[in-house]
Amino acid sequence: GQQLNQSPQSMFIQEGEDVSMNCTSSSIFNTWLWYKQDPGEGPVLLIALYKAGELTSNGRLTAQFGITRKDSFLNISASIPSDVGIYFCAYTTSGTYKYIFGTGTRLKVLA
Amino acid sequence: NAGVTQTPKFQVLKTGQSMTLQCAQDMNHNSMYWYRQDPGMGLRLIYYSASEGTTDKGEVPNGYNVSRLNKREFSLRLESAAPSQTSVYFCASDRDRDQPQHFGDGTRLSIL
Repeated sequence: GQQLNQSPQSMFIQEGEDVSMNCTSSSIFNTWLWYKQDPGEGPVLLIALYKAGELTSNGRLTAQFGITRKDSFLNISASIPSDVGIYFCAYTTSGTYKYIFGTGTRLKVLA
Repeated sequence: NAGVTQTPKFQVLKTGQSMTLQCAQDMNHNSMYWYRQDPGMGLRLIYYSASEGTTDKGEVPNGYNVSRLNKREFSLRLESAAPSQTSVYFCASDRDRDQPQHFGDGTRLSIL
């Protein structure tokens, strides 16, 4: 089956630092999504990527769809305490309804 | 604008009891999904409904049934709950395949 690796699993950073996380897969995909989940809530979409090489920003967040279409990264610049949460990547192949989610990166920001 | 609404938010069951989790969306989305989230395992797809009147199995369908009642509502039923089904259940919807999914806030289910 399709394998999706998300790293790191967790990270503690100081407020103001930049954060980087990534997802890699053994298969080629057409869509990459990045979600954030706050405690007690459902995942909320941060960024959607649809083209290989695409670089998209949403405020302090930047995500890229890898050229090989097998990976994606998410960067958070100048982290703040409310960035705490679990960040998930997810992908799907064209023409399917099934998204595969990574196991998440748990981010904790120390003030 | 409620988005995706799940009920109940919390539930405790005894082994063998049955229960239906409810989900409704007000975004006129065609597709709806049920996931379970377990520690360290991310989200796993249980069942999905590509459109009103259709349902299909996801990655972990055993022990569950679903009903797409109408375009707005998609329910998940546990006929005979087992401790292994203790989890957080999320409902999601999207306009069509390859489109981003929107999630509810989850139902936290404990089975004793």
